[in-house]
Amino acid sequence: GESVGLHLPTLSVQEGDNSIINCAYSNSASDYFIWYKQESGKGPQFIIDIRSNMDKRQGQRVTVLLNKTVKHLSLQIAATQPGDSAVYFCAETGYSTLTFGKGTMLLVSP
Amino acid sequence: DAGVIQSPRHEVTEMGQEVTLRCKPISGHNSLFWYRQTMMRGLELLIYFNNNVPIDDSGMPEDRFSAKMPNASFSTLKIQPSEPRDSAVYFCASSPRDRTEQYFGPGTRLTVT
Repeated sequence: GESVGLHLPTLSVQEGDNSIINCAYSNSASDYFIWYKQESGKGPQFIIDIRSNMDKRQGQRVTVLLNKTVKHLSLQIAATQPGDSAVYFCAETGYSTLTFGKGTMLLVSP
Repeated sequence: DAGVIQSPRHEVTEMGQEVTLRCKPISGHNSLFWYRQTMMRGLELLIYFNNNVPIDDSGMPEDRFSAKMPNASFSTLKIQPSEPRDSAVYFCASSPRDRTEQYFGPGTRLTVT
């Protein structure tokens, strides 16, 4: 789920499908991770978080998985809806502040 | 709760002018963050405050940028003089404690011509 410059990775799914958005984080000392959703023209919105003492956490229609061995984070969205279309960012924190990834664009077609 | 409030929502100014962006964090939150977002560089942390004290300003691009937090309910980000490359969306965020989830405002879209 990383990108360079103007080109965000894009995931296109059909309404009702499950979506999986991936993120590779960089700091092995990071112990807290967050997924944000950003819709066009709005600020990032908190979705779900997970601490490093867990490897899975579930919310409403969303699940975050953490694999510390390979420094990988994923967000699973069940029964994806058109309203889920947005850019999704993972963020990590080790020492003090959050470091954000470049984001992945999720496009949901009806 | 009204969430994080930012003003103005849009600002268009000419190169060389002073720009002041304003933020009201969520009541009771102890940490406040200023970010800049562009297509090329993504979301960048500029500065953050903890209990009104600047903790890390290493992300501030240069001396033209300054930020203040005179009290727990108000912060400003000032650019003087502004340049076209400062054009971006500037977000303010607050969090209840250090190293926890941050809540973002709607952003200020700045265009410097």
